[in-house]
Amino acid sequence: GENVEQHPSTLSVQEGDSAVIKCTYSDSASNYFPWYKQELGKRPQLIIDIRSNVGEKKDQRIAVTLNKTAKHFSLHITETQPEDSAVYFCAASRPSGGYNKLIFGAGTRLAVHP
Amino acid sequence: DTAVSQTPKYLVTQMGNDKSIKCEQNLGHDTMYWYKQDSKKFLKIMFSYNNKELIINETVPNRFSPKSPDKAHLNLHINSLELGDSAVYFCASSHQVNPYEQYFGPGTRLTVT
Repeated sequence: GENVEQHPSTLSVQEGDSAVIKCTYSDSASNYFPWYKQELGKRPQLIIDIRSNVGEKKDQRIAVTLNKTAKHFSLHITETQPEDSAVYFCAASRPSGGYNKLIFGAGTRLAVHP
Repeated sequence: DTAVSQTPKYLVTQMGNDKSIKCEQNLGHDTMYWYKQDSKKFLKIMFSYNNKELIINETVPNRFSPKSPDKAHLNLHINSLELGDSAVYFCASSHQVNPYEQYFGPGTRLTVT
C-alpha cells in the first residue's frame, strides 16, 4: 500500500537550535522524496528533495537523509530562525505508468521561538 | 510572473450548489494536479492530467469532475456541494521530463455552509 508516516506532528525549538523531522514510507518502489514548507495561508513550496540513489543532500542550513533499507528519511534544519516557523511536509513519489504520484505525510508544525 | 494561478481565492457557497475552480500555469509544464487539503492540513492528491489526458484519478466522488481544455489549464467542477467538501484546493504542475518537482498554486479556500 501507499503510506507516509511523519513525526512529530508539532515541534517547538528555540532560535539557534536544530530541528529534525522524520518520515517513513511503506512502498519500496518509492524513488523520490521531497520536502515542502507551507507558511500560514500560503502554498506548499519545495525546499529540498532527495532521490533514491543518494543517501544525503545538504543545502545551506537544511539537509535531508535517506535510508532505503529502513524506508525512512529525515529533514534536518540547523541554526533555526523564526522565519523557519511553518508546517513541513514530507512526501514519497511513487512511479505509476510513466508518471508519478506524491503521497504526503501529515505534516509537522514547527515553531521557532526567539 | 511565471506561476501557477488559481481563481477564485475564496469561495463560500451553500450545500447543493455547483461550483468551479480554475487553474492556469505558464511554466510550460505538461502535467497538472488537483490536491485537497483538509482542516487538519492533510494534503491528498485527487487528479492529475498530462497533456490534457487524465492519468491519476484517486478515489474521489464523481461529483468532482476535472477538465483540461489545454495543457496549461486544469479546472475542477464540483456538483451538489456537501459540507465535507469544505477544504483548501491546490492546483499544481510539473514538467513531464522531470516529473517530480511540483509547483503549487496559491490555493482556493472552499467553504460550504
